[in-house]
Amino acid sequence: QVQLQESGPGLVTPSDTLSLTCTVSGASLTGSSWSWVRQPAGGGLEWVGRFYRGRTYKNVSLLSRLTMSLDTSKRQLYLRLSSVTAADTAVYFCARDIYGSGSYLDVWGQGARVTVSP
Amino acid sequence: QSALTQPASVSGSPGQSITIPCTGTNSDVGSFNLVSWYQQYPGKAPTLIISEVSRRPSGVSDRFSGSKSGNTASLTISALQAEDEANYYCCSYAGHQTLAYVFGSGTSVAVL
Repeated sequence: QVQLQESGPGLVTPSDTLSLTCTVSGASLTGSSWSWVRQPAGGGLEWVGRFYRGRTYKNVSLLSRLTMSLDTSKRQLYLRLSSVTAADTAVYFCARDIYGSGSYLDVWGQGARVTVSP
Repeated sequence: QSALTQPASVSGSPGQSITIPCTGTNSDVGSFNLVSWYQQYPGKAPTLIISEVSRRPSGVSDRFSGSKSGNTASLTISALQAEDEANYYCCSYAGHQTLAYVFGSGTSVAVL
């Protein structure tokens, strides 16, 4: 059974870098594609980006600020978003991305709440 | 990439059927049979209920069905039950150039 768990600091200072970790169990990290999705309070879902075969694919609105990576030894995925503003305040979800053979997100983590505030 | 358009809310009585439309463009919904639907309860993570326009994952009730015509995809919930009261989001692959996903604006379903 695939399980995902996000973690990270709940509070980030404006202009700093937001760093989140997604710990994966029950699936091969290199054999799958992984996406991040965020959701502001009371708002809808927004696709952030995908890590697939060593490459990062990004929401065009986050191109210059977003970095994604993974560490297979730790079974972890990482998201880094630089120069954050209040607009980046959201719950961030990681999800397994069935990309290339259906294009959907079949397993989600519980989400990590991030607030950008002084 | 603009969000796909969904009605903010849809309601129905127990036992009725409701349909939630999801309107995109020729660049996303209209070009690919890669529309998925997610159900989300408040404070919880989304869960997949439909993939590839009309495929139901194992364990999802057959009361949920999906379809697509042109630039509009639809989710139908038949025999509405109280437990269906949740938020629903559509999502489409947005093309080989961006390799991105675009989500719908979300629909709150109320069971009266």
